[in-house]
Amino acid sequence: EDQVTQSPEALRLQEGESSSLNCSYTVSGLRGLFWYRQDPGKGPEFLFTLYSAGEEKEKERLKATLTKKESFLHITAPKPEDSATYLCAVLASGGSYIPTFGRGTSLIVHP
Amino acid sequence: NAGVTQTPKFQVLKTGQSMTLQCAQDMNHNSMYWYRQDPGMGLRLIYYSASEGTTDKGEVPNGYNVSRLNKREFSLRLESAAPSQTSVYFCASSPTDSNQPQHFGDGTRLSIL
Repeated sequence: EDQVTQSPEALRLQEGESSSLNCSYTVSGLRGLFWYRQDPGKGPEFLFTLYSAGEEKEKERLKATLTKKESFLHITAPKPEDSATYLCAVLASGGSYIPTFGRGTSLIVHP
Repeated sequence: NAGVTQTPKFQVLKTGQSMTLQCAQDMNHNSMYWYRQDPGMGLRLIYYSASEGTTDKGEVPNGYNVSRLNKREFSLRLESAAPSQTSVYFCASSPTDSNQPQHFGDGTRLSIL
């Protein structure tokens, strides 16, 4: 069974304090890994797709990286507006094209 | 850029009442999905439709029915609402048989009293 585990469940940072969110996965083969941002009262908003180990994607203060067992979302010098829940989803090889979602990391950045 | 549109945004029902949640997408995607999101449980798939004319059960289909009305629209129906169905419901769409991500609507917040 495909499994996706995100850690920590919650993270509080001071503005400017860099950190990383983790998404570890167990799948038979990886088609792709997705990162989403979800603001309160909104639906998940797509951020990045990673397809193979060693791949990296960047957007403003966010950088996503991928290994064969996990992905990291690095947040550099975060601002209060980066506060949100970050979701990771894994698309496994074989069978359907339905991703398995982790439960998310709730990030709060204090000014 | 509408993307995925869900209606209504909020709804309160009494136990036993029925209602239909509507979803429409304008991205020409073949696949559409219904999820529920509960605290501590993450996103759970209720039903999906890989293409117009087909629907399949997801992880938690009991108590729900769906209709793929056309390529754009996918509705979710609660025939006899129960308090356990109090949740936030999200519709999503994606290209069929693709490694591309899903795109989500902003949800329907449903309370069953």
